[in-house]
Amino acid sequence: EDKVVQSPLSLVVHEGDTVTLNCSYEVTNFRSLLWYKQEKKAPTFLFMLTSSGIEKKSGRLSSILDKKELFSILNITATQTGDSAVYLCAVPSGGSNYKLTFGKGTLLTVNP
Amino acid sequence: NAGVMQNPRHLVRRRGQEARLRCSPMKGHSHVYWYRQLPEEGLKFMVYLQKENIIDESGMPKERFSAEFPKEGPSILRIQQVVRGDSAAYFCASSPPTREAHTFGSGTRLTVV
Repeated sequence: EDKVVQSPLSLVVHEGDTVTLNCSYEVTNFRSLLWYKQEKKAPTFLFMLTSSGIEKKSGRLSSILDKKELFSILNITATQTGDSAVYLCAVPSGGSNYKLTFGKGTLLTVNP
Repeated sequence: NAGVMQNPRHLVRRRGQEARLRCSPMKGHSHVYWYRQLPEEGLKFMVYLQKENIIDESGMPKERFSAEFPKEGPSILRIQQVVRGDSAAYFCASSPPTREAHTFGSGTRLTVV
């Protein structure tokens, strides 16, 4: 069965800190890995990664994929209170490009 | 661009009643997905639909749950004879045909009392 494991499950930091969130996966016929940010409402798309070693960057957020070791990391630099959210990692599973298997998420709390 | 619209945002049902959850995909998206998020659990895939077709319902419970996406109107997730264990957040997502990056709605929080 396809599996996505995220760590840590929760994390509390102070504004300005840098955080690294981890996602490991086991999936048949890997296609891509996706990161989402979930505040109180809809998960919002952050990144989709398909190739190893190529960093995707958006402002203070960046992510990279290692297809050999089957994991991805999401980095957030100079954290702000608005970064507080649950960060979700997902992979399309079962050989499909639509059935996403999600991890349980990392709850990030950024204190002022 | 209104995004994926779900309603209602919150729904309370007594055990044994029916729950109907609605989802209108983003403009231009023809593919709809439903996911369920139980407390302390990750999002779980339920069903994938295109207009008038169920493509994959492998994540749907075998009984009491059904979904449709008619030619006109929103997609509907229907839960008959709800039980307490159905209490969860139900998220709808949509995509164009070639995208894996689903766009999610804000969810419907179903509480069964």
